[in-house]
Amino acid sequence: ETGVTQTPRHLVMGMTNKKSLKCEQHLGHNAMYWYKQSAKKPLELMFVYSLEERVENNSVPSRFSPECPNSSHLFLHLHTLQPEDSALYLCASSQDTGGETQYFGPGTRLLVL
Amino acid sequence: EDQVTQSPEALRLQEGESSSLNCSYTVSGLRGLFWYRQDPGKGPEFLFTLYSAGEEKEKERLKATLTKKESFLHITAPKPEDSATYLCAVQRDNYGQNFVFGPGTRLSVLP
Repeated sequence: ETGVTQTPRHLVMGMTNKKSLKCEQHLGHNAMYWYKQSAKKPLELMFVYSLEERVENNSVPSRFSPECPNSSHLFLHLHTLQPEDSALYLCASSQDTGGETQYFGPGTRLLVL
Repeated sequence: EDQVTQSPEALRLQEGESSSLNCSYTVSGLRGLFWYRQDPGKGPEFLFTLYSAGEEKEKERLKATLTKKESFLHITAPKPEDSATYLCAVQRDNYGQNFVFGPGTRLSVLP
């Protein structure tokens, strides 16, 4: 148990659906991250939030929309996804964004039909 | 461009057969190098952070070392429960937000 939880753990959605992934950290950290992990590919950083402010957006399509209402919660809103968006979506947190260890949640396995 | 490569891609060992995994990196100004273990369908689990060449860290059967161009994860007398994918990641000195991950080494330890 790393102190980072994610829900749901599994999600199947159609291309026209709208869904949200939730992440919560109980570590008192100030930074939170979304990563995408596809088969046979390295983890890809999607978004970084520091003190609820977005500081990094690695050219992610607009069908992915993050939200960070406070330093403990992070959401990833999904709409009109494509089958190639099927992947394991991982949330992580760290004390700050400067060289601190990131602790990961268990991930949400997403399948887009 | 920052790059992280890991070798081998996959490694199969007999229980008790020691070996090493390699992580090679090219990054301008390394702030830290991180090793993680990932079991199938789960999030990466933190193992070690190394900050400077010559540094070593140990945990049970694992030992991580760092040079200016690469890091090694040495596994001594592995057990089947050490089977997992081992990931390394680097963080740049002046761009603290961004971790660059390698593709991982998939380790299987056979009883």
